[in-house]
Amino acid sequence: EVQLVESGGGLVQPGGSLSLSCAASGFTFSSYWMSWVRQAPGKGLEWVANIKEDGGAKYYVDSVKGRFTISRDSAKKSLFLQMNSLRAEDTAVYYCASLTMVGGLTWYFDLWGRGTLVTVSS
Amino acid sequence: DIQMTQSPSSLSAPVGDRVTIRCRASQTISSYLNWYQQKPGKAPKVLIYAVSSLQSGVPSRFSGSGSGTDFTLTISTLQPEDFATYYCQQSYSLPWTFGQGTKVEIQ
Repeated sequence: EVQLVESGGGLVQPGGSLSLSCAASGFTFSSYWMSWVRQAPGKGLEWVANIKEDGGAKYYVDSVKGRFTISRDSAKKSLFLQMNSLRAEDTAVYYCASLTMVGGLTWYFDLWGRGTLVTVSS
Repeated sequence: DIQMTQSPSSLSAPVGDRVTIRCRASQTISSYLNWYQQKPGKAPKVLIYAVSSLQSGVPSRFSGSGSGTDFTLTISTLQPEDFATYYCQQSYSLPWTFGQGTKVEIQ
């Protein structure tokens, strides 16, 4: 079955750290750019980070630059998000998603996981 | 950053109605516009990519159009299972951004 399964969410104090994982199955993980997208409770969607197929390029939204690190392990078919210096405003469901490129130009989020909830609170 | 603005923020319509959701970008985004559907407690699902291309498995009652800065998602004949929130998203430039969402309720 083609799927993405996130794990690692939980309750963490402000200033703390948390590491999220996303396990891929049913498709050639090493051939896809991957992303993290988050959704604060009751709010809309926010793109967080992208990583190239080989991990050689990474991009972040400004609000997490210097605090979050996206990485991947193709042998383990896994995507990761290391989150440091967490703030209350990082509270959200974090989704991993695969990216598909169309026509060599445009991208869209193709396959999504079910998400994992991160709560930053004292 | 490119701001994406959807209208309306919510709507209520009877089954069988034609529904149109609009999305406006703060600057031109060519054809780099996607639409997602999200049902309560579930992950988003892509419906339309590159303005008007229907994702495999998505019913043909969904369609997209537009160019430049103004785009629309149309549901030709609203079905009970279409109760959801719909988001547009631009992939023209980083940071990729989403509209605030349009919640569709069935009357």
